[in-house]
Amino acid sequence: AQSVTQLDSQVPVFEEAPVELRCNYSSSVSVYLFWYVQYPNQGLQLLLKYLSGSTLVESINGFEAEFNKSQTSFHLRKPSVHISDTAEYFCAVSDLGRDDKIIFGKGTRLHILP
Amino acid sequence: EAQVTQNPRYLITVTGKKLTVTCSQNMNHEYMSWYRQDPGLGLRQIYYSMNVEVTDKGDVPEGYKVSRKEKRNFPLILESPSPNQTSLYFCASSTRLAGEHTDTQYFGPGTRLTVL
Repeated sequence: AQSVTQLDSQVPVFEEAPVELRCNYSSSVSVYLFWYVQYPNQGLQLLLKYLSGSTLVESINGFEAEFNKSQTSFHLRKPSVHISDTAEYFCAVSDLGRDDKIIFGKGTRLHILP
Repeated sequence: EAQVTQNPRYLITVTGKKLTVTCSQNMNHEYMSWYRQDPGLGLRQIYYSMNVEVTDKGDVPEGYKVSRKEKRNFPLILESPSPNQTSLYFCASSTRLAGEHTDTQYFGPGTRLTVL
């Protein structure tokens, strides 16, 4: 069965510093990959996704993630974080609808330090 | 506005008292799902539905029931709630139409349930 590992439960980083949130998934078969963001006291919303094509995907607020098939990873990066990026970030994977389940990681809480 | 709505947003109840959390989407999505979110455990799928009258168990279905009588609604039923079902619950939906199927989930605002 598919699984998703987010190694870091919390990541503190200073404002304007770069950040990387790590995500690894278990299966090397074709998958869809997602990053969702949950701001304090809100629901989850899609940040970016990889379906096919270019392995580097970007969001409108400066985040990017790179699909690495050989390492089964989909790490999320931002070159310069802002206080408004304070949130919990969830990586998710689906096996292209093969078993209709979408598996989420346990989340990484990003703390932006002033 | 395209959205997923859940009601109630907050609920405190007692052990054994049946409750229903409603979920409704206005995007004509085929796929609907319920998750619970617990600290340190992330999101875990409870039940999902591929379409009307089609439901299936997720990873943590024990103690929950669902129904999908209409495409837009997917209520979550706790017949006899217990304290270990205290959690934050999210409903989500996505399209499964050929050519649009990307498994992108649209989430509701969440329901915080406390079972005493």
